[in-house]
Amino acid sequence: GDSVTQTEGLVTVTEGLPVMLNCTYQTAYSDVAFFWYVQYLNEAPKLLLRSSTDNKRTEHQGFHATLHKSSSSFHLQKSSVQLSDSALYYCALSTGYQNFYFGKGTSLTVIP
Amino acid sequence: ETAVFQTPNYHVTQVGNEVSFNCKQTLGHDTMYWYKQDSKKLLKIMFSYNNKQLIVNETVPRRFSPQSSDKAHLNLRIKSVEPEDSAVYLCASSLQGSSTEVFFGKGTRLTVV
Repeated sequence: GDSVTQTEGLVTVTEGLPVMLNCTYQTAYSDVAFFWYVQYLNEAPKLLLRSSTDNKRTEHQGFHATLHKSSSSFHLQKSSVQLSDSALYYCALSTGYQNFYFGKGTSLTVIP
Repeated sequence: ETAVFQTPNYHVTQVGNEVSFNCKQTLGHDTMYWYKQDSKKLLKIMFSYNNKQLIVNETVPRRFSPQSSDKAHLNLRIKSVEPEDSAVYLCASSLQGSSTEVFFGKGTRLTVV
């Protein structure tokens, strides 16, 4: 079946340093899209990035991700994290049949 | 800016009671969803509704049922709550298509005592 696996648990990074949150997937569908959602404390999850094009980098709010179908990955990266980036991050896969599969979420904590 | 509205924000109830949560979206979307976010922050899809038809049901206990009056509303009813139902219930909506974004409400936190 379709699934998403991402870096689990807690990731702690010092302000100004780079971060990468891993996301890999399994799907039998060809017409799929990939997303990163961010959820700040006591807020709703909201879209950070999306992509459905192989090997094309997509960027938003300083974060970037590139879909690599050859390795079934859609890792999230940022070259220099800020304190305000502390949040819960979800990788998600949509197959177009109203199925959104979310990974288990990664809690990013940025420390001074 | 919120366009998916959920009520109530919080609800505390006893085991065996019936509860109902409301959700309304003002985005003109044709598909709505209910997700359960548990204490470990796992996001699990419970239902999705498209044009008043239930099209996804992920092995949810039968005490849960979605209720829709039109494509802008999707309520969630729990007939007889259990302790393991304590969680945050997130309503969401989207347009059809694989690359379309899902918009979430702020959630309803249910505590079963």
